[in-house]
Amino acid sequence: QKEVEQDPGPLSVPEGAIVSLNCTYSNSAFQYFMWYRQYSRKGPELLMYTYSSGNKEDGRFTAQVDKSSKYISLFIRDSQPSDSATYLCAMRDAGGTSYGKLTFGQGTILTVHP
Amino acid sequence: DAGVTQSPTHLIKTRGQQVTLRCSPISGHKSVSWYQQVLGQGPQFIFQYYEKEERGRGNFPDRFSARQFPNYSSELNVNALLLGDSALYLCASSPTSGYNEQFFGPGTRLTVL
Repeated sequence: QKEVEQDPGPLSVPEGAIVSLNCTYSNSAFQYFMWYRQYSRKGPELLMYTYSSGNKEDGRFTAQVDKSSKYISLFIRDSQPSDSATYLCAMRDAGGTSYGKLTFGQGTILTVHP
Repeated sequence: DAGVTQSPTHLIKTRGQQVTLRCSPISGHKSVSWYQQVLGQGPQFIFQYYEKEERGRGNFPDRFSARQFPNYSSELNVNALLLGDSALYLCASSPTSGYNEQFFGPGTRLTVL
């Protein structure tokens, strides 16, 4: 079983829709949670990160973390065609021997059509 | 400010050969991490370096090695290439105190024939 599970999709929505992207994880030591966006043939771009449980909002993006359920979500409001990309969740254990190691999900392919 | 830069952009090698990939972090960033991303998968952690010292190693064979230079740039070396090493190799840099903000370069696409 992978430490981080993410539905690869693909997910196709109309412009203006609210998009919900999700990941589950098994390692209870994960404390920091990130969302990256990756356009085709580009490197991942950090969207936002959160610590422990709770919500964080940045413009049209909202990240939620529920540590009790080991479940994280990213919501995109008023989705635009330019949001079409692969969305990757990533997590980090603050302890251990690999301080900066990020563990990624498989990525969800999102297409927003006009 | 310039972001993370990586070279070369693309590389084609044959099985058994050796390859060196290069990364320059964002100015002021002292930590560099390397990831391998196979098509259709998320990136997998290979190494992390901070102040020229290895701070973490992922589950990769000894054919993979890396180093960081005094100017904080880094090289990833892969020996005895296998077909399965074909992937996008990503470099990420982060500020001294914040591993949560890792900024990725565009990657080097390695094809092994």
